[in-house]
Amino acid sequence: DQQVKQNSPSLSVQEGRISILNCDYTNSMFDYFLWYKKYPAEGPTFLISISSIKDKNEDGRFTVFLNKSAKHLSLHIVPSQPGDSAVYFCAALFFGNEKLTFGTGTRLTIIP
Amino acid sequence: NAGVTQTPKFQVLKTGQSMTLQCAQDMNHNSMYWYRQDPGMGLRLIYYSASEGTTDKGEVPNGYNVSRLNKREFSLRLESAAPSQTSVYFCASTQGRIKTQAFFGQGTRLTVV
Repeated sequence: DQQVKQNSPSLSVQEGRISILNCDYTNSMFDYFLWYKKYPAEGPTFLISISSIKDKNEDGRFTVFLNKSAKHLSLHIVPSQPGDSAVYFCAALFFGNEKLTFGTGTRLTIIP
Repeated sequence: NAGVTQTPKFQVLKTGQSMTLQCAQDMNHNSMYWYRQDPGMGLRLIYYSASEGTTDKGEVPNGYNVSRLNKREFSLRLESAAPSQTSVYFCASTQGRIKTQAFFGQGTRLTVV
C-alpha cells in the first residue's frame, strides 16, 4: 500500500522555465511533508519541508504547496537550472513517529 | 565533518552468505535509520533506532537484523543473503525529530548472485 505516490517517473523542463513536481498521499493524518533531492551515486539531501498546518513554504527558488483537501503537494522550482537535474523524492511523517515514508521519486532533467 | 559514513560502498555476495553494513555518524544525532532503494519503489525503511539502545522495525525488516552499537554507530546485518536483497542501502540520521533534515550516507550498492 503506497501511502505516498509520485505518479510521474520523469519530467523534462527547459532551463529557465518552471519545474513542477507532484506528490499525492493517501493518509490524511500525516503531519509533515519533505522533499529530498538525489544525485547519482550520492545519498538524498534535504531540500524543503512543510507542516500540515501551512499551505505554502518558500526557500529561494523552491516553493512547496500543500493542498490538504486534495491530499496533494507540489514542488515548484523557478527558474530551473541544469544543476537541478536529479531525482526528487517527496516524503511524509507523523509527529511522534520516526518513520519517514517516501514516494517513488521523479527524475527531473533540465534541458539547456 | 564527515556526516554519515557507510562502508562498504559496493559489495557482491553469493546467495546464503552473510555480511554487515556499517554506518557511523559524527553529528551527535539520536536517531538512525536504514533504507533500501529499489527501482520504482522509492526508499523503504528497513529498521530504525530512535535512540541508543533501542531499535524498531520499519516497512521491510524481513531478512535483516540491526545493532545500535553506541550513539554513533548503527549496523545492518544480512544473515543469509538472497537475490531479493540486491539493492542500494542508505543509512540516515537525525536529531530525533525527523522534521529537521535527515542526513544520508552515500549508500552501499549490494548485489546478491
